Amino acid sequence: KNQVEQSPQSLIILEGKNCTLQCNYTVSPFSNLRWYKQDTGRGPVSLTIMTFSENTKSNGRYTATLDADTKQSSLHITASQLSDSASYICVVSASDYKLSFGAGTTVTVRA
Amino acid sequence: ETGVTQTPRHLVMGMTNKKSLKCEQHLGHNAMYWYKQSAKKPLELMFVYNFKEQTENNSVPSRFSPECPNSSHLFLHLHTLQPEDSALYLCASSQDPRGYYEQYFGPGTRLTVT
Repeated sequence: KNQVEQSPQSLIILEGKNCTLQCNYTVSPFSNLRWYKQDTGRGPVSLTIMTFSENTKSNGRYTATLDADTKQSSLHITASQLSDSASYICVVSASDYKLSFGAGTTVTVRA
Repeated sequence: ETGVTQTPRHLVMGMTNKKSLKCEQHLGHNAMYWYKQSAKKPLELMFVYNFKEQTENNSVPSRFSPECPNSSHLFLHLHTLQPEDSALYLCASSQDPRGYYEQYFGPGTRLTVT
């Protein structure tokens, strides 16, 4: 069964600090991996997408990495801001177009 | 603005009620989706429509009945729900149902079944 595991489940950081979220998956055959940000009361919004051949992708202060050999991805948030408080969801697409969703990591940024 | 709207944003209904959720996308996409999001759990795909035709039903109970009259509108008809059906229901659309294409989500309907 294709699975996506995210850690930690939640974390609290101080404004201006960095943090890293983890995503491990067992989806096979792999097509692509996407990180979504979901603000409270809103739907998820895509931050980055990476295919098998890409090992890093940035979107402003968000940098995602992918190790397709170990089936791991991370999302690094640099110089966090209050607006970064949200749930971050890792989504992996298999070659048969099926999507597998992680449960998300809830990030709280405090002033 | 994601281009995907959902109404109502909040809904409280009894187990014997009948209600409908509405989703509309203004992005010219061909595929539309219903998801269920429960606390601390991954999103659960419920239904997929491509060019108005249902292409996937993920073993969803018959008390949830989808309707897609055209590529821009999607409904989820609800009847005789259970308290465990309380969740956030998200609608999404994409250019194509293949996984590479980004799905654009609406804000969701927060459903409470009493």
